[in-house]
Amino acid sequence: NAGVTQTPKFQVLKTGQSMTLQCAQDMNHNSMYWYRQDPGMGLRLIYYSASEGTTDKGEVPNGYNVSRLNKREFSLRLESAAPSQTSVYFCASSETTSGGTGELFFGEGSRLTVL
Amino acid sequence: AQSVTQPDIHITVSEGASLELRCNYSYGATPYLFWYVQSPGQGLQLLLKYFSGDTLVQGIKGFEAEFKRSQSSFNLRKPSVHWSDAAEYFCAVGGNKLVFGAGTILRVKS
Repeated sequence: NAGVTQTPKFQVLKTGQSMTLQCAQDMNHNSMYWYRQDPGMGLRLIYYSASEGTTDKGEVPNGYNVSRLNKREFSLRLESAAPSQTSVYFCASSETTSGGTGELFFGEGSRLTVL
Repeated sequence: AQSVTQPDIHITVSEGASLELRCNYSYGATPYLFWYVQSPGQGLQLLLKYFSGDTLVQGIKGFEAEFKRSQSSFNLRKPSVHWSDAAEYFCAVGGNKLVFGAGTILRVKS
């Protein structure tokens, strides 16, 4: 059981280049998330998708776009990368209960460096 | 709006000593509360969670946490720390999405 799979695990970009981070989960979860992790700031939510066909902004959405391709896949795109987007990116998925989100299951992370 | 405060950026404890990591939250309703642990270079692993019921919850690796509504706190405890517990610990509060604290880095002295 693979859980949440992210690709690529490492990427170096030049300022202005674009790229897409891919995420897939095999747990049949409704909700998926993209977080970024920076030292001393914990994890900050970029975008999330409560169900297939819906996406919503999180705390730090500027400079990013997302696509919920189907129930399994949720991609994050940087259209014009900036050094401020150097970070570790985590994808996560969860079931959604009536009271709110359940436990998040995380991928192993994607380390992105923008020069 | 949801928010989580972990007041301690770093904590150092001796192996075998007890541990308490603090977490305070702000949330408008009864929260879902979580503690996650992250070892260097790894993803996040769930230690324990509180949804409702007994306010003292047990997790993996000998950890427990107590939900105190009056103090808006969800502190993580362990009676005796092992060197392998050295990691970064994150508290999170959830509604329709999880908000994480900034994390507490735990160092264990031998």
